[in-house]
Amino acid sequence: GNSVTQMEGPVTLSEEAFLTINCTYTATGYPSLFWYVQYPGEGLQLLLKATKADDKGSNKGFEATYRKETTSFHLEKGSVQVSDSAVYFCALSDLNQAGTALIFGKGTTLSVSS
Amino acid sequence: DVKVTQSSRYLVKRTGEKVFLECVQDMDHENMFWYRQDPGLGLRLIYFSYDVKMKEKGDIPEGYSVSREKKERFSLILESASTNQTSMYLCASSTLGFGTGGFGRDGYTFGSGTRLTVV
Repeated sequence: GNSVTQMEGPVTLSEEAFLTINCTYTATGYPSLFWYVQYPGEGLQLLLKATKADDKGSNKGFEATYRKETTSFHLEKGSVQVSDSAVYFCALSDLNQAGTALIFGKGTTLSVSS
Repeated sequence: DVKVTQSSRYLVKRTGEKVFLECVQDMDHENMFWYRQDPGLGLRLIYFSYDVKMKEKGDIPEGYSVSREKKERFSLILESASTNQTSMYLCASSTLGFGTGGFGRDGYTFGSGTRLTVV
């Protein structure tokens, strides 16, 4: 079945460091891929998405490229800020399988210190 | 600018109580979902609904039921609360209906969550 695997955290960085959070997936068909962010005490917010191979999603300085050959959707940011501290979830949906919901990875906690 | 509203942020209930968690969305979305979030386990789907009065079991439906009498409202019911149901509960909604081939294409809008403690 479909699944998402993302790197375990916590990830601890200093302000202005480069961030990579790895995400790989297993899916039949051609899924859409998403990154969600959850700030402390809040629900999840959509950060970025990509709906087909080689698409790049971007938002708030974060980027991720849909790599079908490596079944990956790694999240990157060139210079993190303290305000980026949150839990990040990779997710997929299989558009060819109606009646299914988004499948989430287990989340990666990012902690950025000044 | 609130789009998905969960009725309570924090809730404390006793073992054996019947518990109702309410979720309302104002975006006219067809699909609504209930997840629970636990440390180390991520988000697990309990139930979802793609239309009024329709429901589908997710990965962990045992001990839960749902109700969707109106398009904008999706209720999660714990028939007899137990301590292992202590968790964060997240409601979400999305556009595009069941069977269109676009289920979940645009992702979900989440509520702020309800942290339920069963004592």
